[in-house]
Amino acid sequence: GAGVSQTPSNKVTEKGKYVELRCDPISGHTALYWYRQSLGQGPEFLIYFQGTGAADDSGLPNDRFFAVRPEGSVSTLKIQRTERGDSAVYLCASSLRGRGQAQETQYFGPGTRLLVL
Amino acid sequence: AQTVTQSQPEMSVQEAETVTLSCTYDTSESDYYLFWYKQPPSRQMILVIRQEAYKQQNATENRFSVNFQKAAKSFSLKISDSQLGDAAMYFCAYRSATTSGTYKYIFGTGTRLKVLA
Repeated sequence: GAGVSQTPSNKVTEKGKYVELRCDPISGHTALYWYRQSLGQGPEFLIYFQGTGAADDSGLPNDRFFAVRPEGSVSTLKIQRTERGDSAVYLCASSLRGRGQAQETQYFGPGTRLLVL
Repeated sequence: AQTVTQSQPEMSVQEAETVTLSCTYDTSESDYYLFWYKQPPSRQMILVIRQEAYKQQNATENRFSVNFQKAAKSFSLKISDSQLGDAAMYFCAYRSATTSGTYKYIFGTGTRLKVLA
């Protein structure tokens, strides 16, 4: 089937604005991850969903960041009052079952490049 | 906390030659997985190879192989018969295998590989 898709591909916004980034995981994948990749760095974990619930949100940098996955499929990462330091590529990944299946491969989407002016 | 270090920001290799990318990691866990991901300019992270820590045998995948030294906490990637399409950023990643874990990846900072024609 289709891979992980993310929209938009690129997003330019102004400081202080609100943005939403969308992730469509591979159909049937119950585990979903968000990562942030700053320029010249490797991806850093933000949040992990198992089904509809956020099982681990320890990577969210502050309370301006929030993510949902209401039906256990599509996920939206929401950033309030954006700051220039939020500029990065936001990557989404999914895997089939997640918890209890450490050997599973995570499949990544192409990311959303966010630029905050 | 686990860390992953890639000390080579950039490497070059002549087409058809062999190149080795270095990765070291730090962990107190005994069971984990190590990965090499390739990220071309399209931004999509592509799994290159995976190694289970409990396996002594080094993983191989066609032209890609690893040298896994558990005691030294070293996990290098060897690319044989390099091709122009191998040019990309390469990220080393660690993932815990504890059953209660979220299986988030911890990535290194990456190595940019250039392949010279």
